[in-house]
Amino acid sequence: AQSVTQLGSHVSVSEGALVLLRCNYSSSVPPYLFWYVQYPNQGLQLLLKYTTGATLVKGINGFEAEFKKSETSFHLTKPSAHMSDAAEYFCAVSDTGTASKLTFGTGTRLQVTL
Amino acid sequence: NAGVTQTPKFRVLKTGQSMTLLCAQDMNHEYMYWYRQDPGMGLRLIHYSVGEGTTAKGEVPDGYNVSRLKKQNFLLGLESAAPSQTSVYFCASSYVLGQNNEQFFGPGTRLTVL
Repeated sequence: AQSVTQLGSHVSVSEGALVLLRCNYSSSVPPYLFWYVQYPNQGLQLLLKYTTGATLVKGINGFEAEFKKSETSFHLTKPSAHMSDAAEYFCAVSDTGTASKLTFGTGTRLQVTL
Repeated sequence: NAGVTQTPKFRVLKTGQSMTLLCAQDMNHEYMYWYRQDPGMGLRLIHYSVGEGTTAKGEVPDGYNVSRLKKQNFLLGLESAAPSQTSVYFCASSYVLGQNNEQFFGPGTRLTVL
């Protein structure tokens, strides 16, 4: 069975500071990994995804994530936080099985302060 | 394209009442999903469908039923609502396997059961 662990349910950073949101996964098969963002009162929007190939993945809004198989991690980073980045972020893993089911982490709420 | 739409956006029910949530997608996706989102628990899969006329149970199916009579629509039913079903419900859709499993989400339905 797959699982996703997101360390830290709340993260607060200053505007302009580095954003680091942690995600570790477990999967019995090579996984597909995703980061989704949810702005208040909205649905989820895909930030970036790793399927195969290059392990450093770039997404929208300046975010990127690196797949590290040896550490079973897929941490999300952004060099400089902006106020508009305040949202909830979800890491998810897919088992590449027939139904493309996603298993989500519990989410990390990012607060950006002046 | 409208993407994934959900009806209604908000609903308040009394315990024991029934209701149906409608999800529609205009992207010709094969797979459709219903999730519920609860604080601190991320998104959990209720039911999913891999094609018209087929449905399957997810992680938390009890108390819910679904139907996929048309490819573009996926209905979620609550036969006898309970306060434990107070949640935000999200519908999602994706292409068949081989399209990197990206799921597209609707804006959500906020349901309160009194």
